[in-house]
This record gives sequence, C-alpha cells and structure tokens, in this order.
Amino acid sequence: DSGVTQTPKHLITATGQRVTLRCSPRSGDLSVYWYQQSLDQGLQFLIQYYNGEERAKGNILERFSAQQFPDLHSELNLSSLELGDSALYFCASSVVGGGQGQETQYFGPGTRLLVL
Amino acid sequence: LAKTTQPISMDSYEGQEVNITCSHNNIATNDYITWYQQFPSQGPRFIIQGYKTKVTNEVASLFIPADRKSSTLSLPRVSLSDTAVYYCLLGGFKTIFGAGTRLFVKA
Repeated sequence: DSGVTQTPKHLITATGQRVTLRCSPRSGDLSVYWYQQSLDQGLQFLIQYYNGEERAKGNILERFSAQQFPDLHSELNLSSLELGDSALYFCASSVVGGGQGQETQYFGPGTRLLVL
Repeated sequence: LAKTTQPISMDSYEGQEVNITCSHNNIATNDYITWYQQFPSQGPRFIIQGYKTKVTNEVASLFIPADRKSSTLSLPRVSLSDTAVYYCLLGGFKTIFGAGTRLFVKA
C-alpha cells in the first residue's frame, strides 16, 4: 500500500459525459501527478500540482482539467468523453515535486475508466 | 528533456540474475536515476534510485558508471512474481515514463 488513495476504482460512462476522479496523496506529500495509461501503453504524464498550484503540464487534452485543493487532495475532471479516453488513470504523490532530481513518486491503485 | 532508452522486452528463468540497462546520454547534472516496477492494472512501484556508482537495497542493485550516461538495474535470482514492466526514469519536471522493459520470467 503506497498510501495514495484514488476513487472510484472503476467508472463506466457514456460518450459526451463528464466525470471526476479523486486522489488523496500520502500524508505529508505536497505534490500530485496525474497519468493516463491506455491498454498496453506506457504511462502518459498529464499534469502536476504542487501545494495547490499547477507545476508542470504534459499531454493533457483541453477537455481535461485538474486542481489541487487546500487539503492537498486533487481532482481530475474529464469532459466530453470519447471512446479513446477509456484508460487507467493513475495519481501519484511526492514529498516536494519541485523538480529536484531526486523525486520519488508513490502511485495510487488507479481508476479504470470505460467510456461506452 | 532527457530521454531514456531501454530494451522493449527480456526473458529470463527463475533463479537467474537479470540485468536491464537504460541509456540516458543527455542526463542532467542534478538528475537522479529511478527505477519503477509495474504489474498489470497496478500503479508503478518504486524499486531503487541512485546518482552514481552503486546502490543496493533488499530488492535490487543499481549500477551507474562514472559518465552517468547509462545505468543497469540488477535483479538477483528472479522469480515468477518478478514478471512485470520496469521503467527507468530521470528526475525533474514532466516525468517521462518511456515504454519500459517487459520482463518475463519463466519457470
């Protein structure tokens, strides 16, 4: 158990809909990362937040957005869903997230999204 | 952004030592090298991290030559449960997970 929690574990929805994925980082971790992993694909970095502010952006679609709240939990919002958005979405947290070379990320169990 | 290159896949047998090499020619001065393990439908798990020379923990060893342009993850006496994807990462912003190395351990 990494200490990172993600809800829900599974989500089934229809095209065009909007969903929200939730992540609670490890106690004491200030940074949250979101990743997308499609079937048999590598992990695609989406976005990183550090202490409530966006720190880095990866291949995140405009239909997707995220935020980190004062209690440090984070939400990833996916809207106008398409079939191709079906994937595993992982959240990870780290202590600092300041870009130091020594970052170690702790991953949650993921949310499996299926868009029908 | 510094990029890493790893073999796409490797096969091994139980009880053997497995060495997975990662190339990172453009590693930055402050980058550490971190290896993660991922089982199907699970989030990646930290294995080991190092900056230079050799690091060893209860799971693996990491060898980094002086020029730091490559690193080798060494898994001693693998078992069937070590079948997984192994990722080599460099530290910093916008963490880039490549395709990783799929290790298949056979009985």
